[in-house]
Amino acid sequence: AQSVTQLGSHVSVSEGALVLLRCNYSSSVPPYLFWYVQYPNQGLQLLLKYTTGATLVKGINGFEAEFKKSETSFHLTKPSAHMSDAAEYFCAVRKTTGTASKLTFGTGTRLQVTL
Amino acid sequence: NAGVMQNPRHLVRRRGQEARLRCSPMKGHSHVYWYRQLPEEGLKFMVYLQKENIIDESGMPKERFSAEFPKEGPSILRIQQVVRGDSAAYFCASSLFGDKGETQYFGPGTRLLVL
Repeated sequence: AQSVTQLGSHVSVSEGALVLLRCNYSSSVPPYLFWYVQYPNQGLQLLLKYTTGATLVKGINGFEAEFKKSETSFHLTKPSAHMSDAAEYFCAVRKTTGTASKLTFGTGTRLQVTL
Repeated sequence: NAGVMQNPRHLVRRRGQEARLRCSPMKGHSHVYWYRQLPEEGLKFMVYLQKENIIDESGMPKERFSAEFPKEGPSILRIQQVVRGDSAAYFCASSLFGDKGETQYFGPGTRLLVL
């Protein structure tokens, strides 16, 4: 069975500082990997995803993530935080084989951006 | 192109009543997924449907919950005889092909409160 671990349920950074949100997965076969953002009382919006190809993936709003197979990680980064980045971020995985197409989510990391 | 639509956005029910949640996928999408988000938790997969077929219902509680996606009209998640533990946000997502690397687009959710 797959699982996703997001270290740190709450992360606080200053505006302009580096954002690093951690995601590790457990899977017998490397899965497809996704990062979603959720603003208060809204649905989830895809930030970026890794399926195949280049392991460094660039997404919307200046975010990027790197798939590291040896570390089973897919950490999300942004060089300079903005106040509008305050939201909850979810890492998710999906199996690459078989018929199941569901996403398995981590428990989320709430990002706070301070002045 | 309208995104995934869900209604109602908020639903209040008393214990023992029925809750019906509706999801209209993005135009042209024939794959629908339902997820539940309990307070302070990540999203948990419930069911995956294609037009007129349930593909994967491994996340659905065995009793009181059912889902359908008819040939015409929205997908419906039905909860009979609701209990307080059913209070959660229910999200619907849709995709075009159901491929594993494909993006699932999420609706704004229905927030169910059971009194």
